[in-house]
Amino acid sequence: QSVLTQPPSVSAAPGQKVTISCSGGSSNIGNNYVSWYQQFPGTAPKLLIYENNKRPSGIPDRFSGSKSGTSATLGITGLQTGDEADYYCGTWDTTLSAGWVFGGGTKLTVL
Amino acid sequence: EVQLLESGGGLVQPGGSLRLSCVASGFSFSTYVMSWVRQAPGKGLEWVSAISSGGVNTYYADSVKGRFTSSRDNSKNTLFLQLNGLTAEDTAVYYCAKVGRSGSWSDGGMDVWGQGTTVTVSS
Repeated sequence: QSVLTQPPSVSAAPGQKVTISCSGGSSNIGNNYVSWYQQFPGTAPKLLIYENNKRPSGIPDRFSGSKSGTSATLGITGLQTGDEADYYCGTWDTTLSAGWVFGGGTKLTVL
Repeated sequence: EVQLLESGGGLVQPGGSLRLSCVASGFSFSTYVMSWVRQAPGKGLEWVSAISSGGVNTYYADSVKGRFTSSRDNSKNTLFLQLNGLTAEDTAVYYCAKVGRSGSWSDGGMDVWGQGTTVTVSS
């Protein structure tokens, strides 16, 4: 059971838009920046979005992030078959046992 | 090129120990918090530990607290994870990752990841 809640899967057609939600609480998303990661099978995760809505160099503007209260959202527009991957949200949690927490991951299928 | 390279994984019996290493290059290693993240077969990402830039402060996931120890040698740009009391539930690919903003535990996200090293706990 992950601290952050993501839908297990989402799907959409090429060219369409999809959003992936990430729900947490006041000790994590509510008071800390959220980052998003993309992972293809057999490879290391890659940073897509940091500090809620910033894109690292080289990440296309088709990827966007937002945060409101204790939830965050990753948006992907102009879907391509190459976007088919697992996506994870992550943030710092400031409870007694402080540390990073991740969502359970969302499998994106581009139909 | 900014890079992290893990090593030290392998097959170990339940109750055994391993020491993972992560060698950093291409950035000022001593100014960044570093983390370990693992991924069990077919499962999601699980954060394991974080260590401050100077190595003085550490945080651990409850699942590994008291069994795993993170350390670093800034003179050798190397991060370590000592794994003791291993169980089958520790079987996973272990990644080291750099936190994006110098001195922060989390700001900037985990912006650089290694390729991972596999730990298999089995008799």
